[in-house]
Amino acid sequence: SQKIEQNSEALNIQEGKTATLTCNYTNYSPAYLQWYRQDPGRGPVFLLLIRENEKEKRKERLKVTFDTTLKQSLFHITASQPADSATYLCAPLNYGQNFVFGPGTRLSVLP
Amino acid sequence: GAVVSQHPSRVICKSGTSVKIECRSLDFQATTMFWYRQFPKQSLMLMATSNEGSKATYEQGVEKDKFLINHASLTLSTLTVTSAHPEDSSFYICSASPGFMNTEAFFGQGTRLTVV
Repeated sequence: SQKIEQNSEALNIQEGKTATLTCNYTNYSPAYLQWYRQDPGRGPVFLLLIRENEKEKRKERLKVTFDTTLKQSLFHITASQPADSATYLCAPLNYGQNFVFGPGTRLSVLP
Repeated sequence: GAVVSQHPSRVICKSGTSVKIECRSLDFQATTMFWYRQFPKQSLMLMATSNEGSKATYEQGVEKDKFLINHASLTLSTLTVTSAHPEDSSFYICSASPGFMNTEAFFGQGTRLTVV
């Protein structure tokens, strides 16, 4: 069955540093992968989508990579700020597939 | 971006009563909406897929008679937790996608249900 893992339950980094979050999946080959941010007590908010034929996607301070050989996506936040503190969820998907999310990584950016 | 509105945001009910949660797509039509449950410090767990004009599809282990889903229009899906028990206390979230290929999901604000 499909399995999604995210590198760690929690990640603490210092303000200004680059945060790197990992998403690994097994037993399927997604056509695309999405990253979401979730703040406590709120629904997730879409951040980025990367397709299987794209190696890298950027949006402002965010960068996502997608390695279909390693079955892994990396999510980077450069020049991190305390406001970036949240839980980040990955969702490797195929078209028409119901959304399946990884367990999430809770990022804390310390001032 | 598209907006999905969920109501109520918080509800407290007595054990044995039923609670209805609404999910509306405000600026697009959604033939499919999704309902999730999230326990503290855990990820979203898909409960069911709500299909406009037809029966919902439930994930394994989710009791369809307990979690009633109605998708009566292209902009509204409701989840009714029947005969609620304290173990049903959780955070319930709905989502919908305006695109044909489900390429991006928009989520409601979530509903914090507490059964006392």
